[in-house]
Amino acid sequence: DIQMTQSPSSVSASVGDRVTITCRASQGISSWLAWYQQKPGKAPKLLIYAASSLQSGVPSRFSGSGSGTDFTLTISSLQPEDFATYYCQQANSFPITFGPGTKVDIK
Amino acid sequence: QVQLVQSGAEVKKPGASVKVSCKASGYTFTSYGISWVRQAPGQGLEWMGWISAYNGNTNYAQKLQGRVTMTTDTSTSTAYMELRSLRSDDTAVYYCARRLQIAAAGTTLGYWGQGTLVTVSS
Repeated sequence: DIQMTQSPSSVSASVGDRVTITCRASQGISSWLAWYQQKPGKAPKLLIYAASSLQSGVPSRFSGSGSGTDFTLTISSLQPEDFATYYCQQANSFPITFGPGTKVDIK
Repeated sequence: QVQLVQSGAEVKKPGASVKVSCKASGYTFTSYGISWVRQAPGQGLEWMGWISAYNGNTNYAQKLQGRVTMTTDTSTSTAYMELRSLRSDDTAVYYCARRLQIAAAGTTLGYWGQGTLVTVSS
């Protein structure tokens, strides 16, 4: 199975800050990586697929990069509605595996 | 638009079984498989398995093999997930999800149900 790790596990930030979250796969997955945002009591919401493609309707302040084993999600200017938990997921093969999550909260 | 609507919350005793449904609409049901993902309270996302709505082929997470069964009813465009021999650590929100319709996205889960809380308690 492909193991996914994320760092940091949590980050405190202010509105307007630039936030970067890193995801690493235990083996190369090319660009088969997705990022999700989850708010309390809600289902995960897809933000980025294929490592860097923005899902329809997602604000352009979200961006993704990377390939192989190392990936990054960047929020260019944090907005109040962005405080949430973010997960990466390898979309290369079964079993689907997720990173442990990164909680973005208010400083 | 693609919609996945799940059945309501359940409370079960240890050792019992639960069956959660996921009714799909807005697309041709047999063209996509359904994955099931669960989330224990305060924890991360755990993929449970996948079923093809086309031919019923399944792929289950190893840790759940023997306890989980996923099925579909193409006449009603509904997927089901049954979990048996429930334990307290099966308490979680259970989600059904469908992959994005873009080949380059692989198994990216673009559409999610609203979630079903299953509580296992004596």
